Amino acid sequence: RKEVEQDPGPFNVPEGATVAFNCTYSNSASQSFFWYRQDCRKEPKLLMSVYSSGNEDGRFTAQLNRASQYISLLIRDSKLSDSATYLCVVNIVSGNTPLVFGKGTRLSVIA
Amino acid sequence: NAGVTQTPKFQVLKTGQSMTLQCAQDMNHEYMSWYRQDPGMGLRLIHYSVGAGITDQGEVPNGYNVSRSTTEDFPLRLLSAAPSQTSVYFCASSYTGTNNEQFFGPGTRLTVL
Repeated sequence: RKEVEQDPGPFNVPEGATVAFNCTYSNSASQSFFWYRQDCRKEPKLLMSVYSSGNEDGRFTAQLNRASQYISLLIRDSKLSDSATYLCVVNIVSGNTPLVFGKGTRLSVIA
Repeated sequence: NAGVTQTPKFQVLKTGQSMTLQCAQDMNHEYMSWYRQDPGMGLRLIHYSVGAGITDQGEVPNGYNVSRSTTEDFPLRLLSAAPSQTSVYFCASSYTGTNNEQFFGPGTRLTVL
């Protein structure tokens, strides 16, 4: 099983829609979790950290389920500007790859 | 603050050539790292450094060397370029390590012919 898995998409949704992405991780010792956003041909940028109690930032909500080993990202009222690739990132703190990036989920918001 | 800067933005090499990708940050971050991003592969860690004078290997270190003589700079050297090293290379830094936000440079697009 790969360390961090995401559905690559693409998710094509109309403006105003609610869309959710899931990400599963294999190492139960993983300590911290993040969602990054990457625009086409640009560098990744932190969208939000994911806390055990869940967290919300405007239209974005991230949740962590340690028992099932997945994290989720919910985007409400999608905007055209939300079109990007969303990377799930897990801090495993072991071996030689302390931060593991998922391959990303591509979102296209359509007018 | 300029953040994380990388040079060059684009580079074309012939097989066997060597070159250095430059990375610098002006945020006084201790932790710096190099990733490569290939289609369908996601970001993979090449080398990382937890502070000046300390470096370690990541997931895909073969064919690359790094050094960290100052807090600000973390150059990546390709010893003898191969077509398999065609990729987009990102340098990143963070305040203390992998529990913090990673700040990425704009990337270097490298093609090896």
